[in-house]
Amino acid sequence: EPEVTQTPSHQVTQMGQEVILRCVPISNHLYFYWYRQILGQKVEFLVSFYNNEISEKSEIFDDQFSVERPDGSNFTLKIRSTKLEDSAMYFCASSEQGLGAGYTFGSGTRLTVV
Amino acid sequence: ILNVEQSPQSLHVQEGDSTNFTCSFPSSNFYALHWYRWETAKSPEALFVMTLNGDEKKKGRISATLNTKEGYSYLYIKGSQPEDSATYLCAFIPGFQKLVFGTGTRLLVSP
Repeated sequence: EPEVTQTPSHQVTQMGQEVILRCVPISNHLYFYWYRQILGQKVEFLVSFYNNEISEKSEIFDDQFSVERPDGSNFTLKIRSTKLEDSAMYFCASSEQGLGAGYTFGSGTRLTVV
Repeated sequence: ILNVEQSPQSLHVQEGDSTNFTCSFPSSNFYALHWYRWETAKSPEALFVMTLNGDEKKKGRISATLNTKEGYSYLYIKGSQPEDSATYLCAFIPGFQKLVFGTGTRLLVSP
């Protein structure tokens, strides 16, 4: 069964450092997403990406965040200057048909900012 | 602010018991509702995508119903097995490109 791959599984970084979280979505999927879950809270939407551009973003996704699909297979989330409150599990997801189909999620990257 | 509530927060049943959980969501501006099954240390796995009022979907021993007019969906598990132990998440889609998740129901099935 095709799967979404995320690397690394766990990243520890110093406050103020830049991090890049990587994802390889399913190859024939067209819609890509990042979600995150802060410990003890709900899974929350960050950004959706379609046709090589952001289609929607949440209020969390401020200027410190960016996404890229540099080579047609990888989908990355960059946080420019990490804050303590960015510590969370970050999930990448992809979908063939957008909202009309279930998403395939990766197993997540646990980001710890110290 | 869109709020999606799930109840109960957690549930502990014996093998063979049938169980059900509720997902409540805003009844206006409905586009779709997703159910996901999330086992510890794994990724959430899509169970159902529900779009029409009155939808009923089934996958093995698990089924779901949808009432968009009153803003709720039920997930049923018939004859629970230990391998059903997981967190069950519902996610409401209000017509634009994002899922709004509930807090999940954590199910533990004891042999």
